[in-house]
Amino acid sequence: GQQVMQIPQYQHVQEGEDFTTYCNSSTTLSNIQWYKQRPGGHPVFLIQLVKSGEVKKQKRLTFQFGEAKKNSSLHITATQTTDVGTYFCAGSTYSGAGSYQLTFGKGTKLSVIP
Amino acid sequence: KAGVTQTPRYLIKTRGQQVTLSCSPISGHRSVSWYQQTPGQGLQFLFEYFSETQRNKGNFPGRFSGRQFSNSRSEMNVSTLELGDSALYLCASSWGQGGTGELFFGEGSRLTVL
Repeated sequence: GQQVMQIPQYQHVQEGEDFTTYCNSSTTLSNIQWYKQRPGGHPVFLIQLVKSGEVKKQKRLTFQFGEAKKNSSLHITATQTTDVGTYFCAGSTYSGAGSYQLTFGKGTKLSVIP
Repeated sequence: KAGVTQTPRYLIKTRGQQVTLSCSPISGHRSVSWYQQTPGQGLQFLFEYFSETQRNKGNFPGRFSGRQFSNSRSEMNVSTLELGDSALYLCASSWGQGGTGELFFGEGSRLTVL
């Protein structure tokens, strides 16, 4: 079945350093979404990428969708303590009979050392 | 507008019992998905309902079941509880099916099985 691999599983960075998490799908995706879950909280939607090669920015966050629509990345520039949390990617694929399936990666847990 | 509401927020059960969790989606959303979250396991997909029909199902045993009502509210049931069922159960609603739209997560129901 559909698989979305996300690496790394954990990342510890000094405040001010950059951070990147990567997602790879075994199949071509219709779109990819990114979520952030703060410690003790629930996942919150960050962004959705739909087009091949798409790049979107949100302040210090840069999201990319690969040309083949099988991989994606989230890059955070100059991390801050407020960036702490687990970042999940989720890929949507057409599963037939008019239905789509959303599959989450296992997440990357980011720790920021002040 | 009101967010996704999950009840109860916390519950404690003993092995062999059953439990029913409830999820009220955002008004107008027709998709409700359920996820199990345990430390280190990310978001494990249980099932998705769209307009009262189960569209997708994850790899969980038949003890896990769900349904969606005509007002889009959803319930999930776990029968014959096992210790390993202790987890945070998250519900997410969306206007679109299968990740075609962003997911809005509730705060979750934390289940402890003794």
